[in-house]
Amino acid sequence: AQSVSQHNHHVILSEAASLELGCNYSYGGTVNLFWYVQYPGQHLQLLLKYFSGDPLVKGIKGFEAEFIKSKFSFNLRKPSVQWSDTAEYFCAVTAYNQGGKLIFGQGTELSVKP
Amino acid sequence: EAGVTQFPSHSVIEKGQTVTLRCDPISGHDNLYWYRRVMGKEIKFLLHFVKESKQDESGMPNNRFLAERTGGTYSTLKVQPAELEDSGVYFCASSLFAGVAGDTGELFFGEGSRLTVL
Repeated sequence: AQSVSQHNHHVILSEAASLELGCNYSYGGTVNLFWYVQYPGQHLQLLLKYFSGDPLVKGIKGFEAEFIKSKFSFNLRKPSVQWSDTAEYFCAVTAYNQGGKLIFGQGTELSVKP
Repeated sequence: EAGVTQFPSHSVIEKGQTVTLRCDPISGHDNLYWYRRVMGKEIKFLLHFVKESKQDESGMPNNRFLAERTGGTYSTLKVQPAELEDSGVYFCASSLFAGVAGDTGELFFGEGSRLTVL
């Protein structure tokens, strides 16, 4: 069965610090990979996704993620975080032809101190 | 354009009672999904509708849960009778297409319905 593991449950950073959130998945076939974000009091929204092509994917708000197939990883990065990045981040995977069914990781809560 | 809307935003009921959650997807989105997050755990898939048909209901926990999608528009998720372990946040999402040519379209999520069973 597919699964997604996010390495950190809660990350606390100061503004301007660099961010890297780890995500590993287990599935041997072709996958689509996603990072979703949920800001306090808001709905889940898509940060970025990997479907095919360039493994370095750029998303909204300065986020990027790198798909490393050999490591089954899709880590999220941002060079310099802002207080407004405080949110919960979810890595998710869906397998080819699974009808869009997302398998989520446990979520990582990011707190950015001003 | 309106996003995915869910109602109610929060429901508090007693064990054994019935609750019905409603989801209105984005207009024109044939794909509608229900997910659930129990406190502190991951968001888990419950089921997937394509129009009015259940495409995948492999995530439904048991027969106390009943999902419907009348006419391929809004969807309801009924829990009857509710148990303590049903507490959590129920998310609905919709998408325009799913799994076409290997690409999974973006899922647009609602704000969730928080269910508390006492």
